[in-house]
Amino acid sequence: EAGVVQSPRYKIIEKKQPVAFWCNPISGHNTLYWYLQNLGQGPELLIRYENEEAVDDSQLPKDRFSAERLKGVDSTLKIQPAELGDSAVYLCASSLGGAQGGGTEAFFGQGTRLTVV
Amino acid sequence: SQQGEEDPQALSIQEGENATMNCSYKTSINNLQWYRQNSGRGLVHLILIRSNEREKHSGRLRVTLDTSKKSSSLLITASRAADTASYFCATDGGYSTLTFGKGTMLLVSP
Repeated sequence: EAGVVQSPRYKIIEKKQPVAFWCNPISGHNTLYWYLQNLGQGPELLIRYENEEAVDDSQLPKDRFSAERLKGVDSTLKIQPAELGDSAVYLCASSLGGAQGGGTEAFFGQGTRLTVV
Repeated sequence: SQQGEEDPQALSIQEGENATMNCSYKTSINNLQWYRQNSGRGLVHLILIRSNEREKHSGRLRVTLDTSKKSSSLLITASRAADTASYFCATDGGYSTLTFGKGTMLLVSP
């Protein structure tokens, strides 16, 4: 079975340009996460979806970041316009989820390494 | 924001030795998970321990959880060079949002 698939793997853009990342979670996984990881740091949550609903987006910088998960399957994360400080690895993960009973293990994609110049 | 705090930040040992990493967290949890990250395979789940469990084993891994102290430890026995990676604890407060710590970098030398 395929794991979490992310694309592209690498992206270099100039500041003020838009950029989009795509994620296809493991089939049947209701929960989808987008994380941001800076060098030497742990992943930081940007947004979590339960099916097509964004249930935790408190850490998403909504002035420039947006995300969608149409039909509750794959998801897109967009940055517009990108800033130099957005350079990082963007990770997507999925899990079976557990609603209010607590979650299960998350499976991560390989990430997209974004460089803003 | 990051709830977990791993200690030490970096650890260097020889093959065959045991490695112990600690994680402290701030708020109540439903479960705590440990992940490994290396350049080759990305972030990989290692083990999950629920709040009502005190100890769990998986192969060469042993995890303990002390909810009264809000802390957990990960022990890797008989370390191998292939265990070289960053290790992260992640807490689940009961609503499936995983909050990661900053990680411990483990270097296992042959």
